[in-house]
Amino acid sequence: KAGVTQTPRYLIKTRGQQVTLSCSPISGHRSVSWYQQTPGQGLQFLFEYFSETQRNKGNFPGRFSGRQFSNSRSEMNVSTLELGDSALYLCASSRFDRRGSADTQYFGPGTRLTVL
Amino acid sequence: SQELEQSPQSLIVQEGKNLTINCTSSKTLYGLYWYKQKYGEGLIFLMMLQKGGEEKSHEKITAKLDEKKQQSSLHITASQPSHAGIYLCGADGPYSGGSNYKLTFGKGTLLTVNP
Repeated sequence: KAGVTQTPRYLIKTRGQQVTLSCSPISGHRSVSWYQQTPGQGLQFLFEYFSETQRNKGNFPGRFSGRQFSNSRSEMNVSTLELGDSALYLCASSRFDRRGSADTQYFGPGTRLTVL
Repeated sequence: SQELEQSPQSLIVQEGKNLTINCTSSKTLYGLYWYKQKYGEGLIFLMMLQKGGEEKSHEKITAKLDEKKQQSSLHITASQPSHAGIYLCGADGPYSGGSNYKLTFGKGTLLTVNP
């Protein structure tokens, strides 16, 4: 079974631009979560989608948004990029809605975003 | 919110040595996950623990969740260079059904294994 895939793997943008990252979950998984990883803050939760609905959201500004499609693929968008948005963005998929039960999340390889 | 403290922050061992990484929670753990990450890459799932006193092993890696469910340890026996990487623990919070539920991670432990 194919793992979680993320595209693109690397991205360079300039301040003020916007960016869209894509995540394809493991087949059969309906929950997709997004995380931001930086050396200073570590791994921080952005949001979770299940069945095309945002179920949970972390403490990030409204510039960070996402959506999920009917095939469970998810996209994350960051508008008006800032230097501090440079990070590794990871998505993870699991079978179930995370509020319902403890369910293992499987991570993709990440997208490395550099904002100049 | 739930805080996870990992110790040590970094560890350098000689190949063949045993080592232990700890993960301590400020609240009761309902699900504790161990992941391994190579620098700049995704997280690889290692093990999940749910029950107090539970212990799981995979190859030379053993993870335990203490009875009170507030601390977990990851033990590697006879370490190899392939064990090198960043080890992260992640925890589920209480299943409140609220909109602020999220998976929390520790800051990670950087393991270096010298041949």
